[in-house]
Amino acid sequence: QVQLVESGGGVVQPGRSLRLSCEASGFSFSNYGMHWVRQVTGKGLEWVAIIWSDGSQAYYRDSVTGRFTVSRDNSKNTLYLQMDSLRVEDTAVYYCARALEHHRYFDAWGQGILVTVSS
Amino acid sequence: EIVLTQSPATLSLSPGERATLSCRASQSVSHLAWYQQKPGQAPRLLIYNTSNRATGIPARFSGGGSGTDFTLTISSPEPEDFAVYFCQQRSGWPPSFTFGPGTKVEIK
Repeated sequence: QVQLVESGGGVVQPGRSLRLSCEASGFSFSNYGMHWVRQVTGKGLEWVAIIWSDGSQAYYRDSVTGRFTVSRDNSKNTLYLQMDSLRVEDTAVYYCARALEHHRYFDAWGQGILVTVSS
Repeated sequence: EIVLTQSPATLSLSPGERATLSCRASQSVSHLAWYQQKPGQAPRLLIYNTSNRATGIPARFSGGGSGTDFTLTISSPEPEDFAVYFCQQRSGWPPSFTFGPGTKVEIK
């Protein structure tokens, strides 16, 4: 079955960096675009980034552009999110999600990983 | 950026009582999706391309609408359907994805 498992979260001070990983199994990872989506505890969902299946294109929400970088290693079935210059407002649960229908939707999700940015 | 608004914020109903959730877009969108989220869990895709049920989703869930007004209907909610529901769309280039604020469906 499709499985996505995030790791790498934790507590970090403002201005520092963190790298999240998402290990995929149960499907042909290299055939799918992948997203990162975040959710502030008890709040709504916010799309963060998308990367094409071959890694050739990546796009970000405005508030993370220039600070976050999405990448992937198809040989390791793993998706990454490098987060630099973290801000308090980046505190959230981060989900990786598989893209469906020309990248329009999110059809499989990881369990989520908490990132807390606090001094 | 296209803004999605959902109503009502909370829907209280009894098991078996038909549920109709609304999602309105600030401008016309071609299609959208619906997700269900239970406490402590990741969202789950229910409906995509406005009216297509995702794999394994029961037939009591249906989606419809067009332009700026979309609905998710749960024909006869089961106890496990009490959760928060989000709508979502993709638009523009470069791509931008937005979610509605959610509707909580709770047991009356």
